[in-house]
Amino acid sequence: DAKTTQPTSMDCAEGRAANLPCNHSTISGNEYVYWYRQIHSQGPQYIIHGLKNNETNEMASLIITEDRKSSTLILPHATLRDTAVYYCIVSSGGSNYKLTFGKGTLLTVNP
Amino acid sequence: ETGVTQTPRHLVMGMTNKKSLKCEQHLGHNAMYWYKQSAKKPLELMFVYSLEERVENNSVPSRFSPECPNSSHLFLHLHTLQPEDSALYLCASSQVGGPSYTFGSGTRLTVV
Repeated sequence: DAKTTQPTSMDCAEGRAANLPCNHSTISGNEYVYWYRQIHSQGPQYIIHGLKNNETNEMASLIITEDRKSSTLILPHATLRDTAVYYCIVSSGGSNYKLTFGKGTLLTVNP
Repeated sequence: ETGVTQTPRHLVMGMTNKKSLKCEQHLGHNAMYWYKQSAKKPLELMFVYSLEERVENNSVPSRFSPECPNSSHLFLHLHTLQPEDSALYLCASSQVGGPSYTFGSGTRLTVV
């Protein structure tokens, strides 16, 4: 699976959009980009995933660049409860589907 | 409640004890996973079960022994653990091939 690079930490003001970047320059054609988050001492929570098109759900939007070498997770109106470690993971599906977590980005939403 | 239930939530055990962690999912998934998360470290994938067959064992010491009796249940049997095995142990489930994992809340294990 391709490796990802994320900033160690970011801050965001409550009510503002949080934009979390991820670089995955070695991504291959059949690999998806997944985002999860982990609130302190809880299990990780799935947020969103995509292959090459931008995706949106009730939690967030995922913007993937045309060359697929980077992506941005957008939380449109961050709340204090969005404070968590956010993980960007690249993985193929199928029988080899497995998620390898890195260190992620600690997002702190400030009042 | 996420659909994946882990018990117990907290466990303190001595190095000579034998204990088991339990994971149960009611999501109809057919793949299950054990992860370990030590303090200030990324999650480490320990074991993968796909269609009740172990398909991955990431060089985990033999003092950790997984068991998957059916697609809804996963156990991690522990014996002769070391203090450095103290960590948060997380179970997850998914459909084979994805697209998403559902994690339990974890078992916080302390080895004394």
